[in-house]
Amino acid sequence: SAVISQKPSRDICQRGTSLTIQCQVDSQVTMMFWYRQQPGQSLTLIATANQGSEATYESGFVIDKFPISRPNLTFSTLTVSNMSPEDSSIYLCSVWGTVDTEAFFGQGTRLTVV
Amino acid sequence: KQEVTQIPAALSVPEGENLVLNCSFTDSAIYNLQWFRQDPGKGLTSLLLIQSSQREQTSGRLNASLDKSSGRSTLYIAASQPGDSATYLCAAANRDDKIIFGKGTRLHILP
Repeated sequence: SAVISQKPSRDICQRGTSLTIQCQVDSQVTMMFWYRQQPGQSLTLIATANQGSEATYESGFVIDKFPISRPNLTFSTLTVSNMSPEDSSIYLCSVWGTVDTEAFFGQGTRLTVV
Repeated sequence: KQEVTQIPAALSVPEGENLVLNCSFTDSAIYNLQWFRQDPGKGLTSLLLIQSSQREQTSGRLNASLDKSSGRSTLYIAASQPGDSATYLCAAANRDDKIIFGKGTRLHILP
């Protein structure tokens, strides 16, 4: 199993500002992902965080809005840039050791933009 | 493109009843299917993982089945308890190395 520490757990931010969310894993993992969960909705994949290269973004998500870093196999950050109230969501980090194993999730970051 | 659907969207049952939650997926080329539980305002807790080569997995009062050919999985909860009230999510791990979620079933167990 993997233990994921995600920070901050929650934040209230002013529109137009940016927030960086950190995800730290207690072991090296092959794949790390970032998800968004809008109020009352399920999880939507934002991007795959690739170690040592640019993240792979899903349709509807762009690097300028959600820049992602992954400097090593245990750490990643997601930045939500130039925030608006529509960005108010829970953002979750997920890891996947290998393709036939469980996926694990951090406890999420609850973001409110005012 | 994989699509995961969960039925019903919400379910209320009296305590003690057995119940079934349904999950369907459009692309059978999956590595595995995983069931999660999410309590309000919380993260995800993994319940059961079924590999593509398996038919079912059991953990306590939970049993999950997988039929890849029909693109279906079910989560069976026996002798339901009020503490089982939560949202249950199924997620398909695809061979394009992505995990796609259904919209979830909100379960309410009535005391």
